Amino acid sequence: GAVVSQHPSRVICKSGTSVKIECRSLDFQATTMFWYRQFPKQSLMLMATSNEGSKATYEQGVEKDKFLINHASLTLSTLTVTSAHPEDSSFYICSAGGPDNQPQHFGDGTRLSIL
Amino acid sequence: GQSLEQPSEVTAVEGAIVQINCTYQTSGFYGLSWYQQHDGGAPTFLSYNALDGLEETGRFSSFLSRSDSYGYLLLQELQMKDSASYFCAVIKAAGNKLTFGGGTRVLVKP
Repeated sequence: GAVVSQHPSRVICKSGTSVKIECRSLDFQATTMFWYRQFPKQSLMLMATSNEGSKATYEQGVEKDKFLINHASLTLSTLTVTSAHPEDSSFYICSAGGPDNQPQHFGDGTRLSIL
Repeated sequence: GQSLEQPSEVTAVEGAIVQINCTYQTSGFYGLSWYQQHDGGAPTFLSYNALDGLEETGRFSSFLSRSDSYGYLLLQELQMKDSASYFCAVIKAAGNKLTFGGGTRVLVKP
């Protein structure tokens, strides 16, 4: 079945650091990938839609200059949290879909902790 | 806007049957998905309904009624490992984005 790989699984870094998270579709091409954020005991909130070869589409309230998304190939999307601060600490998860974009499969997530 | 309602928590014993209901309000509807998430882990796809009716996958089944904007996930023969959060998610006709419900925490007791 479809597999989505996300790296790194955990990051702990100092405030002000920029952190890059990678999301790869391993056995299919994904023209669209999605990035979510999840706080403890809460649901997943869509941050942005990553479009291969074009600009990402951000959800309302998500700062595009804070969360930079690049989707340079059909198998790789990256999310960079720029100048991260403690309030950016969260669980970041990517997803990509199979044929007709369904069902979507998720990466294992990245737990980001900013000190 | 969109909203999905599901119960926040359900407790049951091993071997029991649990039904998690999900009602949704959305402008545009393509399908309803269900995901399982264990603590500390990422969501795992369980099922997807685009048409009315019941989809069965082993111990888990999912149902959709488009006219009632309602679906449910049925967990049968509960096992301890089924303790997790379960999310319904709507796919709108445009964009294929998932919008998640608040999640239902299922606790299975011996």
